[in-house]
Amino acid sequence: EAGVTQFPSHSVIEKGQTVTLRCDPISGHDNLYWYRRVMGKEIKFLLHFVKESKQDESGMPNNRFLAERTGGTYSTLKVQPAELEDSGVYFCASSQDVSGLGNTIYFGEGSWLTVV
Amino acid sequence: RKEVEQDPGPFNVPEGATVAFNCTYSNSASQSFFWYRQDCRKEPKLLMSVYSSGNEDGRFTAQLNRASQYISLLIRDSKLSDSATYLCVDSGGYNKLIFGAGTRLAVHP
Repeated sequence: EAGVTQFPSHSVIEKGQTVTLRCDPISGHDNLYWYRRVMGKEIKFLLHFVKESKQDESGMPNNRFLAERTGGTYSTLKVQPAELEDSGVYFCASSQDVSGLGNTIYFGEGSWLTVV
Repeated sequence: RKEVEQDPGPFNVPEGATVAFNCTYSNSASQSFFWYRQDCRKEPKLLMSVYSSGNEDGRFTAQLNRASQYISLLIRDSKLSDSATYLCVDSGGYNKLIFGAGTRLAVHP
């Protein structure tokens, strides 16, 4: 079974440009999450989808970030316009159910973004 | 104060050693915790959940002390393959994991 897949794995863009990151969750997982780790900091929650609905987007840093999950399958995270401080690794994760310690959240390998 | 705090390390230990990591959390209402393992430039992978009574999985033992608000991870008989960063995680109600910055472990021959 395929895990959580993310594209691109690496991206280098100039300040002011736009980047769109894509995430394909594990098939059948209704819950999809975006996290990110910027240099020297811990991994931070960005937002959570349940199917196509945004359940919690309290971690989104500002309105330059837009996440979508049309149809409740794959998700995109667009950064427009990108700033230097957006550099870091963006992890997507998915899970079947949010309840209980038995629930496991699976992470993708991340999209490494460098803004120059 | 950070929500989850860990000693960044690195912990440099020889093969076969026993090593313990501690982690403290700030939210006294937090119910559940995890230890994740992250290899260099890879994704975090769940190592084990932390139950209030403590739990063991092979060479790994996790403990939760609610009174002092800390979580521990004990690794016995360290292997070279245990070298990684260990992330202490507050479940945050499960849909919003709160990560510590991680503790680096380096096991040497």
